[in-house]
Amino acid sequence: QKEVEQNSGPLSVPEGAIASLNCTYSDRGSQSFFWYRQYSGKSPELIMSIYSNGDKEDGRFTAQLNKASQYVSLLIRDSQPSDSATYLCAVRDTGGYNKLIFGAGTRLAVHP
Amino acid sequence: DAGITQSPRYKITETGRQVTLMCHQTWSHSYMFWYRQDLGHGLRLIYYSAAADITDKGEVPDGYVVSRSKTENFPLTLESATRSQTSVYFCASSETPGLAGYNEQYFGPGTRLTVT
Repeated sequence: QKEVEQNSGPLSVPEGAIASLNCTYSDRGSQSFFWYRQYSGKSPELIMSIYSNGDKEDGRFTAQLNKASQYVSLLIRDSQPSDSATYLCAVRDTGGYNKLIFGAGTRLAVHP
Repeated sequence: DAGITQSPRYKITETGRQVTLMCHQTWSHSYMFWYRQDLGHGLRLIYYSAAADITDKGEVPDGYVVSRSKTENFPLTLESATRSQTSVYFCASSETPGLAGYNEQYFGPGTRLTVT
């Protein structure tokens, strides 16, 4: 069974710090990876996608991918209380049809 | 531009009743998906559709039926609701991947369903 694993948290960081969220996946053939943010009571919102090994930066967010280690991470610099949410890692299913396999999510709490 | 909408947003129904959750997208995306989200299980795929009249089962399809007669609509029907189907349901859509494999999924606002 293809799996995506995340630490459920909560991950608690002080305002202004770097939050580091990690994700591992089981399917070595996976090529597309996504991070979604989900506020309590809201729907998942796409914040980053990454397809190649290395880093991809977008504002305060950096996604990191290491296919050899089957590991993808999300760094949030200068964390703000508004970043407090659950972060979902998703991996495109190699079985096709654009299906995604989601991790259970990591809850991030940024405290002032 | 409405994007992707779901209705109703909240629904309470009784065990054994039929319930239909609606999903509508204005992007003309080929792919559409239904997920349920429960504490401890994360997002689980119920059904998906690659195009009008093409649907297939996901991870947890039992007790659900879908149809897709038009590209923009993808209704999900619970034929005989059970308490275990109490959940938050999300619809999502995505374009057909291009050469770069661009295939991000975008989610609707969700429907919170309670079966009593």
